[in-house]
Amino acid sequence: DAGVTQSPTHLIKTRGQQVTLRCSPKSGHDTVSWYQQALGQGPQFIFQYYEEEERQRGNFPDRFSGHQFPNYSSELNVNALLLGDSALYLCASSSWTGSEAFFGQGTRLTVV
Amino acid sequence: DAKTTQPPSMDCAEGRAANLPCNHSTISGNEYVYWYRQIHSQGPQYIIHGLKNNETNEMASLIITEDRKSSTLILPHATLRDTAVYYCIVSGHSGTYKYIFGTGTRLKVLA
Repeated sequence: DAGVTQSPTHLIKTRGQQVTLRCSPKSGHDTVSWYQQALGQGPQFIFQYYEEEERQRGNFPDRFSGHQFPNYSSELNVNALLLGDSALYLCASSSWTGSEAFFGQGTRLTVV
Repeated sequence: DAKTTQPPSMDCAEGRAANLPCNHSTISGNEYVYWYRQIHSQGPQYIIHGLKNNETNEMASLIITEDRKSSTLILPHATLRDTAVYYCIVSGHSGTYKYIFGTGTRLKVLA
């Protein structure tokens, strides 16, 4: 079992650009959540996807959007990047009917 | 805001038990206590979770008080590799819930 996999592991983008991050959930999981973790802080919930729909959203602007595919994998898109978007982006997968969440290793995004 | 309160840091001697406390006085009846740890900017690693009974697995034990307002994660024989930030989270167990992380406890295991 490969667990939760995220790609890429590291990314450098310029302010104003757009970025897409990818996540494949753990086998058997159908729900994907995304978190942003700034340096020295705990992860902050961005949004959650189940059955290809956004089910919950945290306090993040519309520049942050996502998608879930029929195979349960997911993408996180961020438009008009700001320097403050530099962070570790974490994907977590779980079962909608009830389970603990498992996290990927994250994508380190640096905006310059 | 996080529903849990944890001490910001703790030290533990290698080989000794590490006892990490967590207060969650506003926990609801259907909410579980989850523990995760994060080692130097890797993704958080699931450790254990429980509802009201004490739980044990190969990694740790979780002791939940009878009133469920606090809990303790016990690493029975801490090693240097247990040095990490430990997060206590209170959440429902189905997909309709999300995790709200606090700042966690930074555990340093000393040789």
